[in-house]
Formats: sequence, structure tokens, C-alpha cells
Amino acid sequence: GAVVSQHPSRVICKSGTSVKIECRSLDFQATTMFWYRQFPKQSLMLMATSNEGSKATYEQGVEKDKFLINHASLTLSTLTVTSAHPEDSSFYICSASGASYGYTFGSGTRLTVV
Amino acid sequence: DQQVKQNSPSLSVQEGRISILNCDYTNSMFDYFLWYKKYPAEGPTFLISISSIKDKNEDGRFTVFLNKSAKHLSLHIVPSQPGDSAVYFCAASAEGYGKLTFGQGTILTVHP
Repeated sequence: GAVVSQHPSRVICKSGTSVKIECRSLDFQATTMFWYRQFPKQSLMLMATSNEGSKATYEQGVEKDKFLINHASLTLSTLTVTSAHPEDSSFYICSASGASYGYTFGSGTRLTVV
Repeated sequence: DQQVKQNSPSLSVQEGRISILNCDYTNSMFDYFLWYKKYPAEGPTFLISISSIKDKNEDGRFTVFLNKSAKHLSLHIVPSQPGDSAVYFCAASAEGYGKLTFGQGTILTVHP
């Protein structure tokens, strides 16, 4: 079956630094990748949608300059949280979809900004 | 605007009995619905899906029912097992494999 690998699983960073999260589709070509965040005991909220080779489409209220998304290849998308602040601490999850493959989710990244 | 709603934050069921998780939606453009199981600090695991052209889909112990006129779907788990204890999310898409909108989740606890 389709597998999506997300790294790192946990990261702690200092306030003001940037953190990069990688999402890789291991056995299929992901034409579209989605990035979600989940606060404790809340739903998964879509942050942005990215298509390979195109600029990401951000949901309302999501700062595109703060959450940089790159989808340079059909197997890799990255989310960079720039100038992270404690309020950015959350659980970030990627999802990939491609031809003949529906939504496949990564295992998530727990970001803690101290 | 919560387009997908799971109004029951939690559900407790005895092992062997049926678990019924409910989900309502407001966007009539949604045409594809999915159920996911999720543990803390992990990504969602796909359980079952249904297209709007169907009203029922079954996979082993899991059955999803869709009532388009009521904009309501439900997930039935029979028989429930303690290993089913997790958070269950319903999700909907309006454009095939377009972006998913998730409900708030329901915590299912299955007691031995």
C-alpha cells in the first residue's frame, strides 16, 4: 500500500528559529500534498494544499510567509515554520494523494517551541 | 463555519456490542466521505470511505451509511473490540481527491 514518511516525529526548537518538516511519498508519486495542524483535543485543520511544481494554496488565516511550503518533486514536500513562537507549538500532519492513490497520511510531527 | 460536525465528543461501548459514530455536514458539494481512526501523536489511519453515489459501504466489521437528504453519515463497528478504542474522525471532500474537511472527532472507548 501507499506509504508516506514524515520527519522528524518530534522537534523542540527555540523561539525565533526555523524548523523544517519533511513529507515523502515512498512508493507513489504524490501530485498533491496537504498540510494540517492539530491542536490538543481538536480537529485536523487544513493549512495549505500544494501541487508539484506550483505555489501552495493557503487556507484563510494561515500566514504563507510564516509557513513556507515547498513541493519541488513528486515525492517530497516540506513545511518550514519560520521564526517559530510558542503559539506555533502543535501537531503537524502531511497527507499525499496521487493517481490511483487516495489520501495517505504521514505519522505527524510534534513541534514544541520553547 | 464548521462544515463537518461530530456532535458526540465521546462514546463508550461494551466489547462485542455495536458502536455507532455519527457525522453531519452542511456543504452539499461534498461528494466523498471518509472515516479515520487516530491515536495521539500519530497520523490518521484510513478506515473506510463512501462516495455520494452510494448509501452504504461495508468492509469487514466497518460499515458506513450515507443519508444525503439528511446530510448525515454514520460509521458502524460490529462487533466492537477493545482495540477499536481511539479517536474517530469523519472527513469530507468536495472534489474527488481534493482537500479534506474534518469533523472534531469522537473518542470511542470499548470496555472489555
